[in-house]
Formats: sequence, C-alpha cells, structure tokens
Amino acid sequence: DAGVIQSPRHEVTEMGQEVTLRCKPISGHNSLFWYRQTMMRGLELLIYFNNNVPIDDSGMPEDRFSAKMPNASFSTLKIQPSEPRDSAVYFCASSLGGGLRNYGYTFGSGTRLTVV
Amino acid sequence: GESVGLHLPTLSVQEGDNSIINCAYSNSASDYFIWYKQESGKGPQFIIDIRSNMDKRQGQRVTVLLNKTVKHLSLQIAATQPGDSAVYFCAGRDAGNMLTFGGGTRLMVKP
Repeated sequence: DAGVIQSPRHEVTEMGQEVTLRCKPISGHNSLFWYRQTMMRGLELLIYFNNNVPIDDSGMPEDRFSAKMPNASFSTLKIQPSEPRDSAVYFCASSLGGGLRNYGYTFGSGTRLTVV
Repeated sequence: GESVGLHLPTLSVQEGDNSIINCAYSNSASDYFIWYKQESGKGPQFIIDIRSNMDKRQGQRVTVLLNKTVKHLSLQIAATQPGDSAVYFCAGRDAGNMLTFGGGTRLMVKP
C-alpha cells in the first residue's frame, strides 16, 4: 500500500487566494482526519470523518476552512480566502477501527502551506 | 496533560546510550496509547502502542511503560542511534477512535 497520499507537498499562495489540499486515505480505512501543525500550537485536529461523514469539525478555526469527503478514497481541505496565519503543515491521517480495535493513525507526508 | 507551546522539550543523548522520553496524560478514561516519531519534513510515524490493561510492551529496541496510577507514559529507546533523532509524540485514545496528542519531545542524538 502506498500509504496516505497528500498533494501538493508544498503550496505557496498569496493572501486572499483559495487553497485546496487533497488527501487519499489508505484503502479500507474508514476514518479520516485533518490536522494542522505549527510550532506555536503543535498538532491540532481540524476535522474528523467516519465513513465519509464529518463527525467532529470543532477544530476548524473559522468559516474560511471547509472540508469534504465525497467518497471513501478522497478528501479535500479548502481555505478561502487564505491568510498568512494559515501558514502551517497540514496533515491528513486515516485509520481503521475504533471501539475495541486498537489501530493508530497513519499519517501522510503533509502539505506545507505558505501564505504570503 | 498536553502541552502546546513554542518550545519543545529536548532530550540530548549520546549515541549508544538509552533514551527515556516521558509523557503525562490527563484523561483517566484513555484506553489505548501510541508513540509516534516525526522526522524532519515527514508526517508522524507509528512506533509502538499499548492498551490500558497492560503496563509494559516491548518492540525492537523500544519499550513503552504505562503507569495508570499517575497517568504517565514513557518510551524507552535502547542503544540510541543517530537515526532516532526526531520529535516523539505520545497520544491517548479517548472516546471512540479519537486520539489526543501531546506536545512532543525532541530527541537529539550526539555522535
């Protein structure tokens, strides 16, 4: 398996532009997570999907952020309009299980976003 | 508990020595714990896990110890190598499949 695949690896955009980050989870995994990592705040959970349905989006910082999971093999995180403070590394992770199953998350390599 | 701050705690060890990285958690209901390793420019990678009904689990060169009484988790790395240099995160599972991550500890291995 190729693991969790994120694209692009790096994104540089101007303030005010729309940014779309993409994620392909591991086939068969039923949970998908979007995280943001910064030096100031560490790893922050933005949103969590289970079976393609958003379960918890309380970590989404504001209405400029939105996430979708149209099918089990694809998710997007969109920022519109982007601001310099959105600069961070965004990770997607997927997982199989929950309940009695003990499976950790498998993380992608991340997208480093720079908003200038 | 978790720490999210500007400065990561740093552990500096000599190559070949053993390393011990510590983590405190706050939720006594956490039933499953994981240690992740994050190298520069990469996503966190699973190292080892432990269920709350265990107090020790060993892997290859790594051991995780769990003390539920004081809500403390540790990762021991035997014969630390330069390739072990990374940031290490502990994570605890709370309700359902949700993991809560600690702030991380940076391990630096001196040759």
